[in-house]
Amino acid sequence: GENVEQHPSTLSVQEGDSAVIKCTYSDSASNYFPWYKQELGKRPQLIIDIRSNVGEKKDQRIAVTLNKTAKHFSLHITETQPEDSAVYFCAASIAKLIFGTGTRLQVFP
Amino acid sequence: GAGVSQSPRYKVAKRGQDVALRCDPISGHVSLFWYQQALGQGPEFLTYFQNEAQLDKSGLPSDRFFAERPEGSVSTLKIQRTQQEDSAVYLCASSLARLGGGQPQHFGDGTRLSIL
Repeated sequence: GENVEQHPSTLSVQEGDSAVIKCTYSDSASNYFPWYKQELGKRPQLIIDIRSNVGEKKDQRIAVTLNKTAKHFSLHITETQPEDSAVYFCAASIAKLIFGTGTRLQVFP
Repeated sequence: GAGVSQSPRYKVAKRGQDVALRCDPISGHVSLFWYQQALGQGPEFLTYFQNEAQLDKSGLPSDRFFAERPEGSVSTLKIQRTQQEDSAVYLCASSLARLGGGQPQHFGDGTRLSIL
């Protein structure tokens, strides 16, 4: 069935360093790839998304890349800050979202 | 506010009881989704409405789970004869997307359901 794999499951970085999270999806019909940030006990918050007709998108310190041929997409956070600490989920979608298993990012001051 | 609103925020029920969870989507959003999030895991799809039509209910775990959106706005997720494994956070999301998706889904705060 439809599946999204996400790596790593945990990621610890020093403040100011970059963080990269990678996802692979199985359904080649997927056409929309959002990334959500979820703090403990709170709702998933959309931070960036990309559609299948685009290879890269950037919003300030956050960027996402998509390789449709390999069915890979990645989140890049530069100049990390302690407030970036949270769980990050990738997802692949035609209509419903199929989520990855999440990455717990810790940014140490 | 103008976001997705869910109620109640917390629900405690005894095993075997029926529960009803409510979702009020963003005004004008055509699509409405329900997800179940177990502790420490990612949200998992339950069901999807476009207006009042339930287009996909493939994620509902059993026939004890039922969802409706009779007027194409507010939706209710009902769980009958609750079991301990139903304990989770139930998230609702809404979107402007019509068939084919491709639009952001905005989530509510969820209902944390605990079955004793």
